[in-house]
Amino acid sequence: ILNVEQSPQSLHVQEGDSTNFTCSFPSSNFYALHWYRWETAKSPEALFVMTLNGDEKKKGRISATLNTKEGYSYLYIKGSQPEDSATYLCAFAQIQGAQKLVFGQGTRLTINP
Amino acid sequence: ETGVTQSPTHLIKTRGQQVTLRCSSQSGHNTVSWYQQALGQGPQFIFQYYREEENGRGNFPPRFSGLQFPNYSSELNVNALELDDSALYLCASSLDVITDTQYFGPGTRLTVL
Repeated sequence: ILNVEQSPQSLHVQEGDSTNFTCSFPSSNFYALHWYRWETAKSPEALFVMTLNGDEKKKGRISATLNTKEGYSYLYIKGSQPEDSATYLCAFAQIQGAQKLVFGQGTRLTINP
Repeated sequence: ETGVTQSPTHLIKTRGQQVTLRCSSQSGHNTVSWYQQALGQGPQFIFQYYREEENGRGNFPPRFSGLQFPNYSSELNVNALELDDSALYLCASSLDVITDTQYFGPGTRLTVL
């Protein structure tokens, strides 16, 4: 059974501060790692799809890194804003059955004004 | 917005009944995946359809079935509903079956009494 773990489960950050959280996944047979942002009452929104070890992706104030050898990805948010409040999900795909995304339970981020 | 819609938004059924949930993918997306999200967990992969054929299935019993139509719409059918089927059901469409970004709908909240 594939296990994708995200930590912490929830996080409260002061507006303007930077923050980061972790996604851990099996290091064998890696194919891709997805990050999504999910605001309450909306659809999950794709942030990044990462496939190569050492990949770094950036979208505005949000960036992500990938280490496939040790099985982790970090998501960073610089200068947090209230609109960053959401649940951040990562999802892992293996080479065999790569169409099956295995999601972590998410990190719930709340930005305090 | 992702351009993926789902209906209905909410649904209440009783144990033993059957339910059909609907999803309308983005135009041109050949792939649709369905996920179940129980409270406090990440989405779990149910199955994926590519060009109207099932293209991978998660650990769900056969009473979970699906259909995909040429007009980019799809259905998730669940027979003999059980209390544990109460969850948020998400569909996601994508261009490709593997590493392409998945675009999620807002979900259907199913409650089984």
